[in-house]
Amino acid sequence: EPEVTQTPSHQVTQMGQEVILRCVPISNHLYFYWYRQILGQKVEFLVSFYNNEISEKSEIFDDQFSVERPDGSNFTLKIRSTKLEDSAMYFCASYRAQLHSYEQYFGPGTRLTVT
Amino acid sequence: QKEVEQNSGPLSVPEGAIASLNCTYSDRGSQSFFWYRQYSGKSPELIMSIYSNGDKEDGRFTAQLNKASQYVSLLIRDSQPSDSATYLCAVMAHGSSNTGKLIFGQGTTLQVKP
Repeated sequence: EPEVTQTPSHQVTQMGQEVILRCVPISNHLYFYWYRQILGQKVEFLVSFYNNEISEKSEIFDDQFSVERPDGSNFTLKIRSTKLEDSAMYFCASYRAQLHSYEQYFGPGTRLTVT
Repeated sequence: QKEVEQNSGPLSVPEGAIASLNCTYSDRGSQSFFWYRQYSGKSPELIMSIYSNGDKEDGRFTAQLNKASQYVSLLIRDSQPSDSATYLCAVMAHGSSNTGKLIFGQGTTLQVKP
């Protein structure tokens, strides 16, 4: 069964450094997402991506964040200058958008620790 | 502010019992609703989707939707210890049918005791 994959599983970085989180969505899916979950808190929407452009972004997704689909399979989230409060689990998700079906499937996540 | 509310629990049920998990949402225009299961330290795993009022059954799981009351529930029959997890209610934000943005509740922790 196809799955969303993410790398790395755990990333430790120093404050102010740039990080790139990588995702490979399910191959025939068209909509891609990043969510994050701070320990003990809700899963929060960051950004949605369709047809090679951002379709919606949250208030969290400021100028320090960017997304890219550099080829036909990868989907990346870049944080330019990490802050302590960026420490969280980051989940990539995708869905196909069939008629009457909006089911999103999540990857295993990347745990980002900013020190 | 669009909200999804769940009782954080923990909800404790004996093995073999029915577990009932509830969720309310604030955006009356929402049309798509989902239940995810999340084990500690893991990612959300989709269990059920529901789009129409009424019940939808899949194995031991039944999702119930009442749009007039803005209420979604999940019933787990014959609960097993392996069902012990946090159950997340997610609502697709109204007006986001083209983007698919999901708004999550805090999650209800279910403990199934052998």
